[in-house]
Amino acid sequence: EAGVAQSPRYKIIEKRQSVAFWCNPISGHATLYWYQQILGQGPKLLIQFQNNGVVDDSQLPKDRFSAERLKGVDSTLKIQPAKLEDSAVYLCASGRGQEEQYFGPGTRLTVT
Amino acid sequence: GESVGLHLPTLSVQEGDNSIINCAYSNSASDYFIWYKQESGKGPQFIIDIRSNMDKRQGQRVTVLLNKTVKHLSLQIAATQPGDSAVYFCAENIRGSTLGRLYFGRGTQLTVWP
Repeated sequence: EAGVAQSPRYKIIEKRQSVAFWCNPISGHATLYWYQQILGQGPKLLIQFQNNGVVDDSQLPKDRFSAERLKGVDSTLKIQPAKLEDSAVYLCASGRGQEEQYFGPGTRLTVT
Repeated sequence: GESVGLHLPTLSVQEGDNSIINCAYSNSASDYFIWYKQESGKGPQFIIDIRSNMDKRQGQRVTVLLNKTVKHLSLQIAATQPGDSAVYFCAENIRGSTLGRLYFGRGTQLTVWP
């Protein structure tokens, strides 16, 4: 079974620029999650999708972050404009509900 | 906010010894817990989970213990190997929160010496 795919793996941008991350979940997983993991901390949920609908985006900084999951499969997370404090690893995970979540390798973002 | 935390940020053990990684939580409504292992440059990997109606669960070389009275969770790794070196996170799902939403602790860095 193929795992969760993410791209790019690394990204370096200057502050105020925009960036987008892509995630392809495990086939058949209805739930998709985006997490932000700052160095030395545990992952923090940004947004959770069930199929193509948002079920929880309470921790998403909506003034600069946006995410979509068109057609209920792939998802993109965008940051515009980026700030220095957005430097982190952005993890995508998928699952079937209240069970284990399968994580992708993450995208390491550096904002300079 | 997060209610899951860890007692020790680092743990060093000798190869072959048993490891115990601890986790404290504060929300009595937490009803599902997962331990994840994260190696450098990789995403978290599922190790073992436990529901609040259980107090112990065993997997291959790993055991999770749940003490709801003191809100404490532990992960025991038997015969620790160099490949077990990683950061270990406990995560919880809180009853009444969004289904499937997990709250992660800060993590414990496990280092295994040969």
